[in-house]
Amino acid sequence: NAGVTQTPKFQVLKTGQSMTLQCAQDMNHNSMYWYRQDPGMGLRLIYYSASEGTTDKGEVPNGYNVSRLNKREFSLRLESAAPSQTSVYFCASSLGQVETQYFGPGTRLLVL
Amino acid sequence: SQQGEEDPQALSIQEGENATMNCSYKTSINNLQWYRQNSGRGLVHLILIRSNEREKHSGRLRVTLDTSKKSSSLLITASRAADTASYFCATDKIGSARQLTFGSGTQLTVLP
Repeated sequence: NAGVTQTPKFQVLKTGQSMTLQCAQDMNHNSMYWYRQDPGMGLRLIYYSASEGTTDKGEVPNGYNVSRLNKREFSLRLESAAPSQTSVYFCASSLGQVETQYFGPGTRLLVL
Repeated sequence: SQQGEEDPQALSIQEGENATMNCSYKTSINNLQWYRQNSGRGLVHLILIRSNEREKHSGRLRVTLDTSKKSSSLLITASRAADTASYFCATDKIGSARQLTFGSGTQLTVLP
C-alpha cells in the first residue's frame, strides 16, 4: 500500500516548455487534489476532482490543466511553463470531499 | 486568499515543554483540520474537529475550537525533538464547494 505517489520528484524546465506531473493513489479514494506551496506559505489549491470524471478549478488554476484519467490517477499539466510556476507541487486524495486528505511527497519544479 | 492564519509564525521551545499554536479564520466553517509537515515532505493529517465540537484529544495533541471567536488552538504536550515541523490549519468553509483552505503555518522547533 503505497498511498499517494507522485512523479517526478524534481524537474527543471525552461520558460515555455511543457510537462505533466503524475499522481496516483491506491486507497480507492474518490477525491483528488493538486496544490502548490511557495516558500513561507501554505498550500493553495490549483484543481481538484471530487469524483472520477469531474474536475473543478481551485484558487489558482491559471496556467494549468488537469486530467482525472481514472479513479487512481490525476495528472497536472503545464502547457507553457513560466518562472512564476516555480514551486513545490503536492497531490492529495481523500475518501470524500473535505475529509482527511492524504498527501504525496511532492514534486519540486524550477522554471528558468 | 488565506482563510486560516496561524500564530505565531515561528516557535522555538525546549524538549519537554508544551507548544501552543493558534489559528484564526474569517468565515463560518464545517470543520477545521490540523496537519504537520516535516521539512521537504508532504503534509500529514493530525486531527479534525467539527464545528459542533469544542475540544478534541489525540495522544499528546489537544485541539480546541471556538466558533464564536473563529479560532482554534493546537497544544502539543511534552514536546520532543521529533515534533520539529511546520503545522498548518485547514478550514472547510461553508459554501466553499467543500474545498480545504490552508493557513501559512507555524514553524515549530523543539530543541534537545
